[in-house]
Amino acid sequence: NAGVTQTPKFRVLKTGQSMTLLCAQDMNHEYMYWYRQDPGMGLRLIHYSVGEGTTAKGEVPDGYNVSRLKKQNFLLGLESAAPSQTSVYFCASSYSALYEQYFGPGTRLTVT
Amino acid sequence: GQNIDQPTEMTATEGAIVQINCTYQTSGFNGLFWYQQHAGEAPTFLSYNVLDGLEEKGRFSSFLSRSKGYSYLLLKELQMKDSASYLCAVRPSGGYQKVTFGIGTKLQVIP
Repeated sequence: NAGVTQTPKFRVLKTGQSMTLLCAQDMNHEYMYWYRQDPGMGLRLIHYSVGEGTTAKGEVPDGYNVSRLKKQNFLLGLESAAPSQTSVYFCASSYSALYEQYFGPGTRLTVT
Repeated sequence: GQNIDQPTEMTATEGAIVQINCTYQTSGFNGLFWYQQHAGEAPTFLSYNVLDGLEEKGRFSSFLSRSKGYSYLLLKELQMKDSASYLCAVRPSGGYQKVTFGIGTKLQVIP
């Protein structure tokens, strides 16, 4: 099993450009999450999903949108990238909210 | 909300024992996780505590005191590969999916 995979691994955007980060999991998990990790700060929850077709806002949702059309995939979109969105983005999944989360390898995004 | 405190950095010697502390203030508590994160890699799950007491898993143990808002991760027989960041994370009693992570403790193991 691949576990949780993320594409791309690295990306550089110019301010105002858009992009979509893809997360896929093959563990049949119901719950999926998007986090960002910045120096000196803990992982911060952007959006999460409790099942196919559902999404909800986390701690820092502004400037991001998400979709979960298929149970195994969770997409994170940036409509108009800003330098403040330069970060490492991690996707995670879990069997339920009561269980540990499994993380993808991360996407390093730089916005210039 | 949640507020989590853990030391930023620690150094310990190969073969020794190290204790990484985590204190939290929360409006509602359901459980506490510890994750390990090597530089440039994804966090990986180490342990989970929901009741007071010590949970042991091989060389790693985790302790929780709910009344004191305190946890620690104990690493025994340190190995060079244990050099990593250790993240303390709290799950709230309302909104289980909104786990809050601390900034992490960067542990350096030296020969």
